[in-house]
Amino acid sequence: DTGVSQDPRHKITKRGQNVTFRCDPISEHNRLYWYRQTLGQGPEFLTYFQNEAQLEKSRLLSDRFSAERPKGSFSTLEIQRTEQGDSAMYLCASSVEEGPGGYTFGSGTRLTVV
Amino acid sequence: GEDVEQSLFLSVREGDSSVINCTYTDSSSTYLYWYKQEPGAGLQLLTYIFSNMDMKQDQRLTVLLNKKDKHLSLRIADTQTGDSAIYFCAEGGGRDDKIIFGKGTRLHILP
Repeated sequence: DTGVSQDPRHKITKRGQNVTFRCDPISEHNRLYWYRQTLGQGPEFLTYFQNEAQLEKSRLLSDRFSAERPKGSFSTLEIQRTEQGDSAMYLCASSVEEGPGGYTFGSGTRLTVV
Repeated sequence: GEDVEQSLFLSVREGDSSVINCTYTDSSSTYLYWYKQEPGAGLQLLTYIFSNMDMKQDQRLTVLLNKKDKHLSLRIADTQTGDSAIYFCAEGGGRDDKIIFGKGTRLHILP
């Protein structure tokens, strides 16, 4: 297993466009998390899945954001009508359900909205 | 709500010990974590401590937990240039299933 993979690594988009990011977690991990990180800040929780069920969404996740994990494996995060304030690093992480192991993070997708 | 606070910068001479401090608010947190982030990279789990422990040592890393004061620290012995990174304190396993991160402490190594 190569760890958590995120695609693309970088995305530049014009304001108002829609973007979609993909995350492939570690195969035996049933939990998948999305975080957002802006410059000088720590990762901020957006949402998480246990298998295919989305169990929690942050207030940060406006109605322009939607996340799916249709088969309990990879996940997508879509941002509609992007705004400049959406520019950030979007991090995906996965974990097993129980235990102290923490999360394994991917390298992130850096979004720049121009 | 949950909050994790840590100082933003620390400068240490190569070979000295680095101590990064953190305070958290969720007394129900089961695990406290330290993550490392190097430039352009994702977060790497360095170590964690279970909330009923006071100390954990792992090679050059020592984690101290004062649960009464909700204070966590990370000591890096014999700091090397490769330790230059941002270190995030985080709490998890509490009321929520998610991990809450601090803003990170940027560790700068002086020659």
